[in-house]
Amino acid sequence: QTVVTQEPSLTVSPGGTVTLTCASTTGAVTSGFYPNWFQQKPGQAPRALIYSTSNKYSWTPARFSGSLLGGKATLTLSGVQPEDEADYYCLLYYGGAQVFGGGTRLTVL
Amino acid sequence: QVQLQESGPGLVKPSETLSLTCTVSGGSVTSSSYYWSWVRQPPGKGLEWIGHIYFNGNTNYNPSLKNQVTISIDTSTNQFSLKVTSVTAADTAIYYCARALRKGSVSSPDYWGQGTLVTVSS
Repeated sequence: QTVVTQEPSLTVSPGGTVTLTCASTTGAVTSGFYPNWFQQKPGQAPRALIYSTSNKYSWTPARFSGSLLGGKATLTLSGVQPEDEADYYCLLYYGGAQVFGGGTRLTVL
Repeated sequence: QVQLQESGPGLVKPSETLSLTCTVSGGSVTSSSYYWSWVRQPPGKGLEWIGHIYFNGNTNYNPSLKNQVTISIDTSTNQFSLKVTSVTAADTAIYYCARALRKGSVSSPDYWGQGTLVTVSS
């Protein structure tokens, strides 16, 4: 069974930079996994941030960026704001099916 | 701007079938640019991709749910639906419908409904 792994939790200071990662038990994550990233705050639906590794939506704040590094998909937040405290999920493509990661709880403290 | 709204029973008995509908406004389910997706989230847990459908009826499902779920589309009402058969307590979750950007068989959910909680209990 394919498992997509993310850090369970991370803490960052306001104004700081943090990188979240998304790995696959099948091996290195490449652009062919078309990584997506989502933000979810308590009681809300997920909000799309990034698609196909690094593409932003019109509503995605500039401080969010996506890339690939070290065989993983990454989401980097630069200049973190208090409102960035949330759960973050990645989604990877496996030839027809797609799998979410377990999510990372980001605390801004 | 596209909007999606889930509807359906909030309580389903074990072994019965869960049925949900997603109504799309501000856009058409017949657009060739999108898939129409379902995602669920058990209370306090992470997201699970269920599957998606294209306007022509082509579907892709999560392999672990493939024998239990069916996604259909009704272009005349601009809606798409989800059926989950033989439900158990493990199917208790918030169910989200979403529009997804289409690139081949890859879907990237961009617009989401607010979600609806379905509880499986006798």
